[in-house]
Amino acid sequence: MVLTQSPATLSLSPGERATLSCRASHSISKNLAWYQHKPGQPPRLVMYDASNRATGIPARFSGSGSGTDFTLTISSLEPEDFAVYYCQQYRHFGQGTRLELK
Amino acid sequence: DVQLVESGGDLVHPGGSLRLSCAASGFTFSNYWMDWVRQAPGKGLEWVANIGGDGNGKYFGDSVKGRFTISRDNAKRSVFLQMNNLRAEDTAVYYCARVRSGSQYDVMDVWGRGTTVIVSS
Repeated sequence: MVLTQSPATLSLSPGERATLSCRASHSISKNLAWYQHKPGQPPRLVMYDASNRATGIPARFSGSGSGTDFTLTISSLEPEDFAVYYCQQYRHFGQGTRLELK
Repeated sequence: DVQLVESGGDLVHPGGSLRLSCAASGFTFSNYWMDWVRQAPGKGLEWVANIGGDGNGKYFGDSVKGRFTISRDNAKRSVFLQMNNLRAEDTAVYYCARVRSGSQYDVMDVWGRGTTVIVSS
């Protein structure tokens, strides 16, 4: 299983919409999670089962997809959203998308 | 509060050994699979190993298979990662994580803050 995330880096401003992609090398139904990781902090579960927000995650985060193509969308970026985001399925992580301040 | 606290990270020479610990609180520890995930400097997350709630299921990533072992003591609410024959490429922050109840694919919903392992001569 290989999870490929794109883009590697996404440069946006607060208030903009962020769209992060994760492609699986073979179909995984909806069995995908997303994590947010900031420097010096542990990863934080954002989304599971492709489209279920984890506890405490604000509604501006949404997830979609099934099979091989998945998307994490942040509708209107807040300053605290800038981080690296990883998709994950079983023992496999994508390489991450760095969401940086433009 | 649900909490995981790792300990045991250190500077160790190549070929050496180290035992990491993760102490859990705030939940029924024995009901959960537990994972170890690491992040090498400048790299992404890498899954290392996991263990079932009763300690019977154990799985390892290819890069550590045969060198690392995992165990748990449910009475002490702790999970351990024994790392042998350490290599420079094992240098990383090691995180302990809880697998979400009912998860079919290792969704990790609680994470510790990590412990740092440096393998260097």
